Parts: sequence; C-alpha cells; structure tokens
Amino acid sequence: DADVTQTPRNRITKTGKRIMLECSQTKGHDRMYWYRQDPGLGLRLIYYSFDVKDINKGEISDGYSVSRQAQAKFSLSLESAIPNQTALYFCATSDNDRVGTDTQYFGPGTRLTVL
Amino acid sequence: AQKITQTQPGMFVQEKEAVTLDCTYDTSDQSYGLFWYKQPSSGEMIFLIYQGSYDEQNATEGRYSLNFQKARKSANLVISASQLGDSAMYFCAMRSFQGAQKLVFGQGTRLTINP
Repeated sequence: DADVTQTPRNRITKTGKRIMLECSQTKGHDRMYWYRQDPGLGLRLIYYSFDVKDINKGEISDGYSVSRQAQAKFSLSLESAIPNQTALYFCATSDNDRVGTDTQYFGPGTRLTVL
Repeated sequence: AQKITQTQPGMFVQEKEAVTLDCTYDTSDQSYGLFWYKQPSSGEMIFLIYQGSYDEQNATEGRYSLNFQKARKSANLVISASQLGDSAMYFCAMRSFQGAQKLVFGQGTRLTINP
C-alpha cells in the first residue's frame, strides 16, 4: 500500500464550486505539505504544516485553505474554484527526525480541472 | 530567498551512456540540503538523492550520484549507464535549514533516453 495517498486522483469541476482534496499518510511523519504543479514550472508550495497545530502559508496560498485533521490527514480546499487553479496538486510528508535531511515524500498527485 | 536554476529544458541521450543534469542554486544560508526528484510520465514525484551542504563526500545512490561543488553553488545529478526507464522529468530542489525551511524547486529537465 502507498505511504501517501491522495483523493480524488482526478477531478473536473466548474467555476465557483467548492472542492476539497484529501491527503492521508501512513509514514508517521509530522510534517505535511501541499504543492501545485503547472506545465513548464516546478512545484510551488501552497501550505505546509509542521504539526497538527502549526499551519503556515506557502508562496501561493491565495484562494486556498487547509485543515490538518490529524497527524495523518491534511486537506486542501478551494472555496470557489477558478480556471487558473487547474493544475496537478501534490501532497508531501517529511519527518524531521534527523538534522539536515527532512526528505519530502510525495503522494501520486490529483489532477484538477476547473472549467 | 533561495532560487534553483536548471538550464537544460530537455536532453536526449543514448541508452547506456552517462548523463549529467545541471542544477545551480542561489542562497545566502550556510546550512541547507539539496534534493533531486524524478517525475515519470505517470506523474508521481520520486525522491532520488540528497546532499547536505556540510557533507564532504558527494552523495551516491545506486546509479545516481550528485556532483556537489559548493563554491560554484552547483549540484549536478549524474546518472550512469542510462536506461530507457530513466526517461522522465527531473527536478532539483533545495531547502534551507534556517527560517521557514521550505523546499524550493527548479523548473525541471526533461530527459529522453533513446534506444
């Protein structure tokens, strides 16, 4: 079974709809992240959470919100989706158990299309 | 602020040849980590290799090695004996160990291995 899962894997929605993307992990990591990837660009950070009570904005948080329901679950919401939020969305986790590494492991991605 | 630059949008290599993917970075921090990820056409992000800024030895993981030149701020990925399955997008990323400790990605290099 995958360590980091994302649901749904694909979603097509209409402008103005509320959308929630969910991420679950079995790695036991404290840190979780949401990124988006657009064609020709690398990944850009939307939000990150270092533990259940610590949530921080990334570089492109406008139009998004998140909820860390538990150590293992981190959800991303688009309150009112717009077409330029069409992208591939990734959840990632990391474990700061050793100074220096904190390698992030990614889920399979959710492809979101906003019409 | 950190910045990653990957100057090769695309590369074509013959199977079994070695290939070097370039990555330069910009940071004023003294302590940081450098990462390489592979993204096959299926979309997932696969962690390949990590190099810490204070690591004296270049990192190696199987056929992957990281040519780390700290003074030049470069962290090139070397793939030895390339295989058809190495065809993918490759992303270089870095994370400072100070401040917000966010992972910053380059724009990626598309590697195609020809038979």
